[in-house]
Amino acid sequence: DTGVSQDPRHKITKRGQNVTFRCDPISEHNRLYWYRQTLGQGPEFLTYFQNEAQLEKSRLLSDRFSAERPKGSFSTLEIQRTEQGDSAMYLCASSLSFGADTQYFGPGTRLTVL
Amino acid sequence: QKEVEQNSGPLSVPEGAIASLNCTYSDRGSQSFFWYRQYSGKSPELIMSIYSNGDKEDGRFTAQLNKASQYVSLLIRDSQPSDSATYLCAVTGNDMRFGAGTRLTVKP
Repeated sequence: DTGVSQDPRHKITKRGQNVTFRCDPISEHNRLYWYRQTLGQGPEFLTYFQNEAQLEKSRLLSDRFSAERPKGSFSTLEIQRTEQGDSAMYLCASSLSFGADTQYFGPGTRLTVL
Repeated sequence: QKEVEQNSGPLSVPEGAIASLNCTYSDRGSQSFFWYRQYSGKSPELIMSIYSNGDKEDGRFTAQLNKASQYVSLLIRDSQPSDSATYLCAVTGNDMRFGAGTRLTVKP
């Protein structure tokens, strides 16, 4: 257990529905990252926050995806109008600072879109 | 060309042998390099980090970095069946990029 928690651990939804995931980072970590991982691939960067500010978002990320980190603590990732291609493991990680500092991953949320 | 490339494997070694995992990256501005281990259905966990050229040893693990060749490797000595997992190479520049991972199987 790294100290990063994610909720829910599993989510099954029907195509077209909206879903929201939550990540609670290690308390003293000011950087928080979201990744998506599909079978046989490494984690794909989605976005990251420095405290409450969203500093970068992947160019490949659809407008249906949005993330927030109010008050610089927990973060939420929302997917609107889900598609079957959104089925994946969504991973959250946190670090003290970017670059040299290690990212610690949460257990992930597995999303299945039917 | 992928930004971070790894042989997908599977790499199979007998118990007690040395497992050698390799990774190349395309961004010469990359600053930090990490090896993560990922068991099936689980999230990645950090094995090693390396920031400067040369070798870094931690127990049975040795990471090697050659920035001129844009190459980073991980050696696992005295491999154990519990080392069987997918090993992910990660490189940071403006963000963290992962390779697709190499699946390692250590046979008893």
